[in-house]
Amino acid sequence: DAKTTQPTSMDCAEGRAANLPCNHSTISGNEYVYWYRQIHSQGPQYIIHGLKNNETNEMASLIITEDRKSSTLILPHATLRDTAVYYCIVRVESDYKLSFGAGTTVTVRA
Amino acid sequence: DGGITQSPKYLFRKEGQNVTLSCEQNLNHDAMYWYRQDPGQGLRLIYYSQIVNDFQKGDIAEGYSVSREKKESFPLTVTSAQKNPTDFYLCASSHLGQIYTGELFFGEGSRLTVL
Repeated sequence: DAKTTQPTSMDCAEGRAANLPCNHSTISGNEYVYWYRQIHSQGPQYIIHGLKNNETNEMASLIITEDRKSSTLILPHATLRDTAVYYCIVRVESDYKLSFGAGTTVTVRA
Repeated sequence: DGGITQSPKYLFRKEGQNVTLSCEQNLNHDAMYWYRQDPGQGLRLIYYSQIVNDFQKGDIAEGYSVSREKKESFPLTVTSAQKNPTDFYLCASSHLGQIYTGELFFGEGSRLTVL
């Protein structure tokens, strides 16, 4: 049973912000939200994670709604190299394993 | 350079043949994982190990076997029972305990084709 729901695909323009939504309506209090991305034929790469506060790092920003039922990954200035499959994952604090769904295929167009 | 090395990158096997994929890490991580990615699909967990000489089945362990004799190494054997024609296998590792942040470090993957 899927813990997260993401759109199958989305396009965005190079240089613009890309906003990737994720629904996790059944998330519980001790579950974190993670984002990874996978460029074609490579291993996934960690982007960012959060519990309830918004987070920002050099790659992206993570906005989590107050009820924690959804989140948005923001790539502030998308480049062609950001074309990839983006995975939104929910992880229980005590569990070391991550379950990857189908993700969102993001295509950045020039 | 610290990282995870998977080999071979491409591998072919005949039906009825077992093959072994290598995964080595020099990140001093305690945990290691094997995932399989079917074409156009997400990753599915095959096996994982949190300590030497111990490992647990993931969601799709049938047709596979692993060993963890050294902290740095977690080889995966794909047995003849595994029927998929082509699959992409990914190895990952992570810390455990208080320094674990949920970040997995992945190798570049191995693509296995059944002839």
